[in-house]
Amino acid sequence: NIVLTQSPATLSVTPGESVSLSCRASQSISTSIHWYQQKSNESPRLLIKYASQSISGIPSRFSGSGSGTDFTLSINRVESEDFSIYYCQQSYSSLYTFGAGTKLELK
Amino acid sequence: EVQLVESGGGLVQPGRSMKLSCAASGFTFNNYDMAWVCQAPKKGLEWVATISYDGSSTYYRDSVKGRFTISRDNAKSTLYLQMDSLRSEDTATYYCARQGILDLFFDYWGQGVMVTVSS
Repeated sequence: NIVLTQSPATLSVTPGESVSLSCRASQSISTSIHWYQQKSNESPRLLIKYASQSISGIPSRFSGSGSGTDFTLSINRVESEDFSIYYCQQSYSSLYTFGAGTKLELK
Repeated sequence: EVQLVESGGGLVQPGRSMKLSCAASGFTFNNYDMAWVCQAPKKGLEWVATISYDGSSTYYRDSVKGRFTISRDNAKSTLYLQMDSLRSEDTATYYCARQGILDLFFDYWGQGVMVTVSS
């Protein structure tokens, strides 16, 4: 199975800061990575598809980059509503896997 | 508006069975693959199973293979997950999620249903 390692596990920031969240795959997966946001007690929400493709209705401050094994979710100027957990998911293998998540918390 | 509504969760004893349902609306159900994703309490997301748009193909994570069965009724726009030989480690919230046939990500999610396996 393809293992996704997200770092850091927790990121403490103040509103207005810009941040980068990392997702590393155990083997090359081209751009078959997708990012989700999960707020407390809510269902996950798709943020970015195929590493860098935007999703309708998602604020433009969210962007993604990377290919191969290293991927990044960037949030430009974090807003209070962004404090939640972020997961990456790979679809390169038909046995999909998620990363363990990065918690973005208020500093 | 796309809606996915799960039902059928609750408390079940180890070794017993439970069947989850997911009623879909707001889109053409038989144009999409569908999936179940679970989340143990205070833990991350885990993909459980996927079924193709026509039910002809199914995929499972290793830990549920042979115990869980994903199925669908396109006439009723409903997705199912039959869970047999349940274990304590199956305790989780189970989400129904829509997946494109060629777009291999989950673009809509249900609200989730809790399954607790305990004696």
